[in-house]
This record gives sequence, C-alpha cells and structure tokens, in this order.
Amino acid sequence: AQSVTQLGSHVSVSEGALVLLRCNYSSSVPPYLFWYVQYPNQGLQLLLKYTSAATLVKGINGFEAEFKKSETSFHLTKPSAHMSDAAEYFCAVSRIQGAQKLVFGQGTRLTINP
Amino acid sequence: SQTIHQWPATLVQPVGSPLSLECTVEGTSNPNLYWYRQAAGRGLQLLFYSVGIGQISSEVPQNLSASRPQDRQFILSSKKLLLSDSGFYLCAWRRTRNSYEQYFGPGTRLTVT
Repeated sequence: AQSVTQLGSHVSVSEGALVLLRCNYSSSVPPYLFWYVQYPNQGLQLLLKYTSAATLVKGINGFEAEFKKSETSFHLTKPSAHMSDAAEYFCAVSRIQGAQKLVFGQGTRLTINP
Repeated sequence: SQTIHQWPATLVQPVGSPLSLECTVEGTSNPNLYWYRQAAGRGLQLLFYSVGIGQISSEVPQNLSASRPQDRQFILSSKKLLLSDSGFYLCAWRRTRNSYEQYFGPGTRLTVT
C-alpha cells in the first residue's frame, strides 16, 4: 500500500530564506507524486506533479520538487520565501495502476517570519 | 476550462439534524469525484469516491452517505448529524484519462452544535 510521510508538521523560515518541505513516500510500484497548497479556509491547489518524466519538477509560485527514487523522497523547495507562501502544504502519492485515489501526508504548516 | 463548485460555503447545524452538501463540476464529462473531510488541525480523510453515475465507493464506515445522481453532481448526506461530523468538507474531481491529479473545490465548513 502507498503511504506518505511529511517530516515536520510545522516549518518556520524567514522571508527571503530557503524553503524546504520534506516528503517521503512508500510505494511498491512507480508512483505519481504531487504537492498541494492550502490557504486558510480554502480548498487545495495543485502546486506541481511528478509523472515519471523529468525528475526535477517546476511548479507554480516559484516552487520546485525533485523526485529521488533511491531516497524515496519528493521534497519541495523554493529559493526565497515570500510572506504569501504561508500556508499548509500537502504531499500526495497515487498509484499508476488503478490510480483512482490519492494518499495524502498529514501536511506541513509553513510560517514565514518577517 | 473546468470549474468545481461547492455549497453552501458554511453551515451550522444542530446535532440530529439532516445534512446535504452539494458539489458540481463544469467543463468536463465523466469525471471521477471525491469527498474528503478535514477535521481541525488534521489531514485529509477520503470519505467517498465515484467513477460514474450511481457508483459510490465508501472509504470509511460512518454516519454519512454519498450519491451521484448526475454525471457532474456529487452529494454528501446524513440523516442525523453527530458532533464528530464537524469539519471542512472538500469535493474534488479527476479526469479519467491520462491524468492522476485531483482538483479541489473551495470547501464547506460544517459546524455541528
């Protein structure tokens, strides 16, 4: 069965600093991987996705993630944090076969300090 | 382009009252549809999903039910709400071909008092 672990339920960085949100997955088959962002009282918005093409994936708002099969990781990064990046971030995995469901991590709340 | 709607946006209901939340998708046909719940400070819990009209799969035994009376309409219901049903309810859809990501609606905040 697929699973996702997000290391750190809360991450705090200063404005302008590097953002690194960690995600490790468990899957018996090659996965599709996703990062979503959720602002307060809103739905989830797709940031980026990995679908077995390039291992470095660029998304919206300056975020990117790198798929590392050897480490079973899909960490999310942004070189310079902005105040507007403060939100909850979710990593998710989907199987290629029977890919009707996503398995989500517990989320990481990102706080940006001025 | 595709759009997903949920209503109502917020709802306050007493314990024991019925519930009906609606989700509709525009701009696509035969989508997969999903209902999730987010309890305060917790992650997403998949409640139901549907791959077609009248086809509902339940993920968690609970006080809720779902129906899909039309291709792009998904309804979440309860006959008698419990305090534990409070939360943020999210509807999502997915294309059934060549796509695995889900797209989420704006959500419904339900408070059971």
